[in-house]
This record gives sequence, C-alpha cells and structure tokens, in this order.
Amino acid sequence: QVQLQVSGPGLVKPSETLSLTCAVSGDSISSYSWNWIRQAPGKGLEWIGYSYYSGYTSYNPSLKSRVTISVDTSKKHFSLRLTSVTAADTAVYYCVNIKEGRSEIGYWGQGTQVTVSS
Amino acid sequence: SYVLTQPPSVSVAPGKTATVPCGGTKIGSKNVHWYQQKPGQAPVLVISYDKDRPSGIPERFSGSNSGNTATLTITRVEAGDEADYYCQLWDSDSDQYVFGPGTKVTVL
Repeated sequence: QVQLQVSGPGLVKPSETLSLTCAVSGDSISSYSWNWIRQAPGKGLEWIGYSYYSGYTSYNPSLKSRVTISVDTSKKHFSLRLTSVTAADTAVYYCVNIKEGRSEIGYWGQGTQVTVSS
Repeated sequence: SYVLTQPPSVSVAPGKTATVPCGGTKIGSKNVHWYQQKPGQAPVLVISYDKDRPSGIPERFSGSNSGNTATLTITRVEAGDEADYYCQLWDSDSDQYVFGPGTKVTVL
C-alpha cells in the first residue's frame, strides 16, 4: 500500500516561493501520476497539477504560470514549487497519486497547512 | 476547461435517502468519482467509475451517471454520513483533473 508523507514549511512570506515535498513508499514511483491538490480554508478541493516520473506534466491553467511539479525517482519523492505566493495561496496542500490508466485518486497524503503571511 | 456543478447543501433525515447531483456537459460520457470529506480529514473515495464501491465502503453508497448529471445516492442515511461530498473526473480534452465545488450533506 502506497504511503505519502508531505513535508515543507508551514509559513511562507508573500511574494516568495512555496516548496513542498512528498515522500513515496510502498510502491513503484513509475506506476502513477503524482499530483498536488489544495484546499483553502472553508473552500473546496482544487487540483494543482501532476507529473509523471518521465517528466510529463499537466497543470491547472489558473496556476500554470507559477507552478512546477517534479518527480525525483532516485529519492522516491515528488515536489511542488509555487512562486510569487499571496494570501490566496493559503491552504491545506495534499499530495496524492493516481494509478496510470485510471482517474480516481488512490492515496492521499495527510495534508499540510501552508499559510502565506509576513 | 470542464466545469462541474453541485448544490452547496443537501439536508436529509436519518434513515432517509440523500441524493447529491453533479452536473456537467455530457458528463455521462465521462468517468466520475466521489469523495467524502469530514472536518479536519483528507477526502475518502466512496464511489469510483460512476458506480463502483471501493472496499470498505457501505452498500448504502451508490452512484449513477447519465446525460448531464452524475448522482451519488446514500440510502438509510446515518449521522456519520454528515460530510462534504465532492465529484471529480479527468477531462481528456484538456488533460486536467476537475473537482465539483462540493455539497455539504447535513443529517437533520
């Protein structure tokens, strides 16, 4: 069973870059797309984007200009970088996987609260 | 990009049936998944591919999808079913995953 463990700073200053990492254990990193999803306080789920281990990516158009998702197969983790953050980026960030060939979310990381504030 | 709609809230008495719709253009031609999210917790998949129940999900949860509406149905509703429910799909035209805005199911 896949396990996902997210790590990263819980507080980021406005205009800086938010960086999170999700460690993967329990299965091959090549069998899935690796996704980030966020949820602002009191709001719904927002898909941020995904990366395959091959480097192929897809991003939410509303965030595309600021987002980079990458997979490090040697370290068995994947990462999220979101640049030029504002208070609107304050949210719980989840790392999730979707098995190749399927479209439902298989496993959710525990979620991490990221607050953008000076 | 593809847009999903859901009513903000649905109220149901214990023991009755809750119906949560998810609207989208020709959604019946797509695969829809449903998640339950309780406060402070990560979402949990309750229905995949329109109508399949993952292991451990009670038979009271069922799904359907046709035309422009997918539907999550919860029969014999219990207090523990009170949660936010989100529909989700993959839009092949844009290669994006899309979530509905969510429906809060309240058990009266």
